[in-house]
Amino acid sequence: RKEVEQDPGPFNVPEGATVAFNCTYSNSASQSFFWYRQDCRKEPKLLMSVYSSGNEDGRFTAQLNRASQYISLLIRDSKLSDSATYLCVVNIVKYSSASKIIFGSGTRLSIRP
Amino acid sequence: EAQVTQNPRYLITVTGKKLTVTCSQNMNHEYMSWYRQDPGLGLRQIYYSMNVEVTDKGDVPEGYKVSRKEKRNFPLILESPSPNQTSLYFCASSQQPGRHTDTQYFGPGTRLTVL
Repeated sequence: RKEVEQDPGPFNVPEGATVAFNCTYSNSASQSFFWYRQDCRKEPKLLMSVYSSGNEDGRFTAQLNRASQYISLLIRDSKLSDSATYLCVVNIVKYSSASKIIFGSGTRLSIRP
Repeated sequence: EAQVTQNPRYLITVTGKKLTVTCSQNMNHEYMSWYRQDPGLGLRQIYYSMNVEVTDKGDVPEGYKVSRKEKRNFPLILESPSPNQTSLYFCASSQQPGRHTDTQYFGPGTRLTVL
């Protein structure tokens, strides 16, 4: 079983729609969580961190459920420019000063006009 | 401008010919890492470094070497490349891996083909 699992998609939704992605992680020692965005043939870039209480950044809302070990990302009023692959990222503390960063394989989102 | 640079961006080589992919960051970050990205498998960590002279294996270290002699540079070395190392490689750096406030900064990627 992969340590971080995402639905690969693709999600193909019309402009203006609301779309949600989930990500599950298997290691309960996971300490911090992020969503990254990757455009085709480009490097990943941080979209937002995910806090236990949930957090919002404009049209994007991220939530964490530690009990069920999943993270979600909600995009409201989707724009054409939101088309990208969204990567779920989990950081696991290995020992006192080291951590292991694990990327999900990504969920591809395509917004159509 | 804060950035991570990688060279070369594209490389086609043959089996067994040693190569080095350079990575440099100008943000004084302590943490640097290398990933490879393959279709359906996502980003997999090859090696990482918590600081100068401190390196550790990631999930897929076989066939790769790294060194961290200076804070800014973290080269990836393939002593004897094989076709299964054909992939897209990313270098990344960050200041506080594991913290909620941390951001991984990625280089632009190196597309390697081993014939």
